[in-house]
Amino acid sequence: DAGVIQSPRHEVTEMGQEVTLRCKPISGHDYLFWYRQTMMRGLELLIYFNNNVPIDDSGMPEDRFSAKMPNASFSTLKIQPSEPRDSAVYFCASSLALRRNEQFFGPGTRLTVL
Amino acid sequence: KNQVEQSPQSLIILEGKNCTLQCNYTVSPFSNLRWYKQDTGRGPVSLTIMTFSENTKSNGRYTATLDADTKQSSLHITASQLSDSASYICVVSATNTGNQFYFGTGTSLTVIP
Repeated sequence: DAGVIQSPRHEVTEMGQEVTLRCKPISGHDYLFWYRQTMMRGLELLIYFNNNVPIDDSGMPEDRFSAKMPNASFSTLKIQPSEPRDSAVYFCASSLALRRNEQFFGPGTRLTVL
Repeated sequence: KNQVEQSPQSLIILEGKNCTLQCNYTVSPFSNLRWYKQDTGRGPVSLTIMTFSENTKSNGRYTATLDADTKQSSLHITASQLSDSASYICVVSATNTGNQFYFGTGTSLTVIP
């Protein structure tokens, strides 16, 4: 397996534009996680899915953020409209189960909002 | 308040030396504790996962310990190598509904020749 795949790897956009980040989890993994990492706040869990269903979205900062998982092999994180404070590295991770199993992270998407 | 604190914030050691990173937490009810290694520009990679009943777990030159009574964990790196230079992140999970995750801010380790 190629591991968790994220695209794009880098995204530069202007304030107010819509941004869509994409993730393909490892095949067979039932859990998918979206994280955000900044120097100031470190790593933060935004939302996670189990079998394509959102379980906990309490980390989503505000209504401008939305995430979907239409099928077991694809998820998106959308920011609309984007703001400069959204600039961060966004990671997607997947795992077989929630508690005992290792989470495998993708390479991340570095987002810069000008 | 559920928190995870790591120390030191940064550390520089000579290649071949040992070092120990600390993680103290106040998360309750405790589910498990994970240590991740994150190389610059890459996603975190899991080193160990420990539950309440596990005191020690090793992964090569990495050994994690957990004292659930004092709510402390440590990550010991033996015979450090230049490739150990990275950020090490401690993550504690709680068994609340939805299984909450609490993150430390990481320790930045630099191994110099």
